[in-house]
Amino acid sequence: NAGVTQTPKFQVLKTGQSMTLQCAQDMNHEYMSWYRQDPGMGLRLIHYSVGAGITDQGEVPNGYNVSRSTTEDFPLRLLSAAPSQTSVYFCASSYGRNEQFFGPGTRLTVL
Amino acid sequence: GQQLNQSPQSMFIQEGEDVSMNCTSSSIFNTWLWYKQEPGEGPVLLIALYKAGELTSNGRLTAQFGITRKDSFLNISASIPSDVGIYFCAGPSFVSYSGGGADGLTFGKGTHLIIQP
Repeated sequence: NAGVTQTPKFQVLKTGQSMTLQCAQDMNHEYMSWYRQDPGMGLRLIHYSVGAGITDQGEVPNGYNVSRSTTEDFPLRLLSAAPSQTSVYFCASSYGRNEQFFGPGTRLTVL
Repeated sequence: GQQLNQSPQSMFIQEGEDVSMNCTSSSIFNTWLWYKQEPGEGPVLLIALYKAGELTSNGRLTAQFGITRKDSFLNISASIPSDVGIYFCAGPSFVSYSGGGADGLTFGKGTHLIIQP
């Protein structure tokens, strides 16, 4: 099992550009989520999904979109990148919401 | 919203020492999770606690679910260099951000563990 995979590992964007961060898991987990990690802030929930076709917003959803068309994939879209979105992004999956398995992260810089 | 307060923020210790850290909340949690994050990696789950008073070990790591349900503790015995990293506590959120069902985890800001050989 590959577990939770994320691509790309690193990305640099210009303000206003859009992009999609990819996340996939091969553990047949229903629950998937996206977090961002900023220095001194811990991890904060952006969006989550409890199954294919079902998504909901977390603590910091503004500027991000998600969709869940399959159990395996949960992409995160940045609609119009802003410098405030410079962060490390982690995708996670689990059977329920508790014991979440995290991917290796995507380090995003917005200039 | 819910907040988890971790202390200490950082620890500088000698190899072989025992380590203690804790996590407190103003809200009651019914699950406590402890994660470790190494540089450039995602958090890795160390221990999950589901009952007040529960004491669970994972090798040299021991975690306890506080009786009040508002705190949890993590101890590392006989630290070694590979214990270096950031240790996070986490618990299930009760806050619904969209007016719908509440979900997701709330994380503390972490305890940085630095070990001097």
